[in-house]
Amino acid sequence: DAKTTQPPSMDCAEGRAANLPCNHSTISGNEYVYWYRQIHSQGPQYIIHGLKNNETNEMASLIITEDRKSSTLILPHATLRDTAVYYCIVKGAGRATNKLIFGTGTLLAVQP
Amino acid sequence: DSGVTQTPKHLITATGQRVTLRCSPRSGDLSVYWYQQSLDQGLQFLIQYYNGEERAKGNILERFSAQQFPDLHSELNLSSLELGDSALYFCASSVEVSGNTIYFGEGSWLTVV
Repeated sequence: DAKTTQPPSMDCAEGRAANLPCNHSTISGNEYVYWYRQIHSQGPQYIIHGLKNNETNEMASLIITEDRKSSTLILPHATLRDTAVYYCIVKGAGRATNKLIFGTGTLLAVQP
Repeated sequence: DSGVTQTPKHLITATGQRVTLRCSPRSGDLSVYWYQQSLDQGLQFLIQYYNGEERAKGNILERFSAQQFPDLHSELNLSSLELGDSALYFCASSVEVSGNTIYFGEGSWLTVV
């Protein structure tokens, strides 16, 4: 699975959009981009995933560049409860295993 | 609530002892995963089972073992415990062995004293 690069930390004002970037320049054609978050010492929470089209759900939007080498997770109206470590993970489909390999993620601090 | 249930939530034990962590996957999920998260190591994949069979192994120590039972619940056994085994242990589950979303439980806090 391709490696990802994320900034170690970001700040965002409450009520504003949080845009979390992720670079995955070695991504293969059949690999998905997954986003999870972990609020302090809780279990990682699934947010969203995508292959090449932009995706939106009730939690967030995922924007994937046309060359698929980077993506951005957007939390449209960040709240204090969105303070967490956000993980961008690239994972292939159709492999023998579904395991996720976590990097160090981005610590998003939402400020009041 | 992800639907993945882990017990116990907290556990304190002494060095050299053995403990068992239990996981019930989401209803309908056939695959179970175990992860370890310590302060200095981040989230580390340990092992995956699918429908009772081991499918992938990560950095799992020989002192640790796991199994998935016919009712699909899983247990992670940790033996000859050392101080460095103190960590959060997460279980996760998914429907199939690959190609779909994984959902995590809330973890079991293990403290070895």
